[in-house]
Amino acid sequence: EADIYQTPRYLVIGTGKKITLECSQTMGHDKMYWYQQDPGMELHLIHYSYGVNSTEKGDLSSESTVSRIRTEHFPLTLESARPSHTSQYLCASSEYALSTEAFFGQGTRLTVV
Amino acid sequence: AQRVTQPEKLLSVFKGAPVELKCNYSYSGSPELFWYVQYSRQRLQLLLRHISRESIKGFTADLNKGETSFHLKKPFAQEEDSAMYYCAWGGNYQLIWGAGTKLIIKP
Repeated sequence: EADIYQTPRYLVIGTGKKITLECSQTMGHDKMYWYQQDPGMELHLIHYSYGVNSTEKGDLSSESTVSRIRTEHFPLTLESARPSHTSQYLCASSEYALSTEAFFGQGTRLTVV
Repeated sequence: AQRVTQPEKLLSVFKGAPVELKCNYSYSGSPELFWYVQYSRQRLQLLLRHISRESIKGFTADLNKGETSFHLKKPFAQEEDSAMYYCAWGGNYQLIWGAGTKLIIKP
């Protein structure tokens, strides 16, 4: 079944650790995105990709990095986690440009202690 | 900068009452506007978009360019409508999101 998957759903980790949030989709979409959302706030685009080997930063500055080596996989990495990175991270994909329908994963809620 | 405003963080209405979730945007031109919904323990999903002018689950939204609004309406609320609702403006390479409105339908 076509879907978009994020793992882990919840992560509590210590300051200074390196973490990778996984996102995979079987939708066959070229375009993928990472959003950051604090409780009660808007979603902010932090990274996007229009295809393999294409990655761009979004409007919200983020210390995270992404890679797109395979169409279906778009992991997000934090080299050294800090408490300020505590947030919810949402992965999405779309068939066309992001200004059309986006399909979201379940999200990863990250807490850095 | 483009901005989407949802003035109500929380809206609580009784079952069977009309619902209106407000959304205003700041942009001149021909916007693409969307309403997304997130039910409890489910992922964010598209509810409707202005370009298709459709009614989904009894909800409609009309684009008012003069008032730069895209309010979401339903004449008779149902308990299963309780959820978080996000308005989003689409342009360039991204969606600009409102902060969301939590809708609670009281029995």
